[in-house]
Amino acid sequence: GAGVSQTPSNKVTEKGKYVELRCDPISGHTALYWYRQSLGQGPEFLIYFQGTGAADDSGLPNDRFFAVRPEGSVSTLKIQRTERGDSAVYLCASSLIHLENTGELFFGEGSRLTVL
Amino acid sequence: SQQGEEDPQALSIQEGENATMNCSYKTSINNLQWYRQNSGRGLVHLILIRSNEREKHSGRLRVTLDTSKKSSSLLITASRAADTASYFCATDEGSQGNLIFGKGTKLSVKP
Repeated sequence: GAGVSQTPSNKVTEKGKYVELRCDPISGHTALYWYRQSLGQGPEFLIYFQGTGAADDSGLPNDRFFAVRPEGSVSTLKIQRTERGDSAVYLCASSLIHLENTGELFFGEGSRLTVL
Repeated sequence: SQQGEEDPQALSIQEGENATMNCSYKTSINNLQWYRQNSGRGLVHLILIRSNEREKHSGRLRVTLDTSKKSSSLLITASRAADTASYFCATDEGSQGNLIFGKGTKLSVKP
């Protein structure tokens, strides 16, 4: 497709379960970002990939959160032992990164995670 | 962490009026961007202004940047009901490559 695709669009799980959220970026975009957005708040940075490597994972809240991008395209955000506080919309974005300046981000529609 | 802080948090105007939203940030930047988000949707990029630019226009949008005050403003002229959305500013942090968003301004344009 032409845009950033995120699946699932909605995920309801029980506390303690494991969750995977998938992001398929725009073809050719080397940079990929994960954000988390709670109701009424701005997107909170989680992790940023440049190619296959995590260039900055300082936003991951704790070691229950992990993200991979093994072939430099699709990325998966993994959340272990989910807690009710993990409930949020998880946004993925991609961009053509510029060496000196962060370029425009293209966002997906998000994955809404609800932990019961 | 959130770098930008938008002001006001919420703004309600009549169609045809102008809407001004402000953003303040804390550290030095290479550029500042504004995004729009319709309820329940992803964010859409509106405009990017570089640190060496003071003003930029795109259609009904006008963005200013004052690096000495670490602030930016977004002006939407002749607003329409379809402009109803949340607006976020976002700044890079030096050469890290990531973007940090503010909490946003929720704009409501009444027909």
